[in-house]
Amino acid sequence: KAGVTQTPRYLIKTRGQQVTLSCSPISGHRSVSWYQQTPGQGLQFLFEYFSETQRNKGNFPGRFSGRQFSNSRSEMNVSTLELGDSALYLCASSPDGGTGEQYFGPGTRLTVT
Amino acid sequence: AQTVTQSQPEMSVQEAETVTLSCTYDTSESNYYLFWYKQPPSRQMILVIRQEAYKQQNATENRFSVNFQKAAKSFSLKISDSQLGDTAMYFCAFKSYNQGGKLIFGQGTELSVKP
Repeated sequence: KAGVTQTPRYLIKTRGQQVTLSCSPISGHRSVSWYQQTPGQGLQFLFEYFSETQRNKGNFPGRFSGRQFSNSRSEMNVSTLELGDSALYLCASSPDGGTGEQYFGPGTRLTVT
Repeated sequence: AQTVTQSQPEMSVQEAETVTLSCTYDTSESNYYLFWYKQPPSRQMILVIRQEAYKQQNATENRFSVNFQKAAKSFSLKISDSQLGDTAMYFCAFKSYNQGGKLIFGQGTELSVKP
């Protein structure tokens, strides 16, 4: 099976702009979770989608949003970008987000200037 | 709220030797999962080993094994016969039974394997 894919791999945006990142889970996986990784804060959970519904949400401002499509592909959007949003954004998929372990994609490196 | 603590920011080990990475966690739940993930310089997160809290037997995957002490809320990773390819950032992670796919990560331990 193909692994988790994320596009784009690298992105440079300007403060105030918005950005959309995409994640395609492993075939058959219905749960997609998003994480932000920064040197200062480490790995932080953003949100999880399961069967097109947001099931869990981390402590991030409303500028961070996401959605999941019927084929389980997920997108996350960040509006009004700030310098502090520069990070590696990882998505992970699992069959149901319950008992199964999560498989991570290669990440999208976002730089905000 | 659950927390995960890795008290060793950096460690180094000689090739072929054994090293142990520490992890403690805090939770009031009795059913949960614990994981060790490896993140090499490529940044790809790779699952190393998984432990279910209700299982008393420590998990083992080839050269990787854990020492799970539920009462002490401790979950250490032992790497035997260390190889140069083991050089990476190692993250301990906690997952509750009833919070779907949400993982809570420790701050990580950067392991260097020296020839």
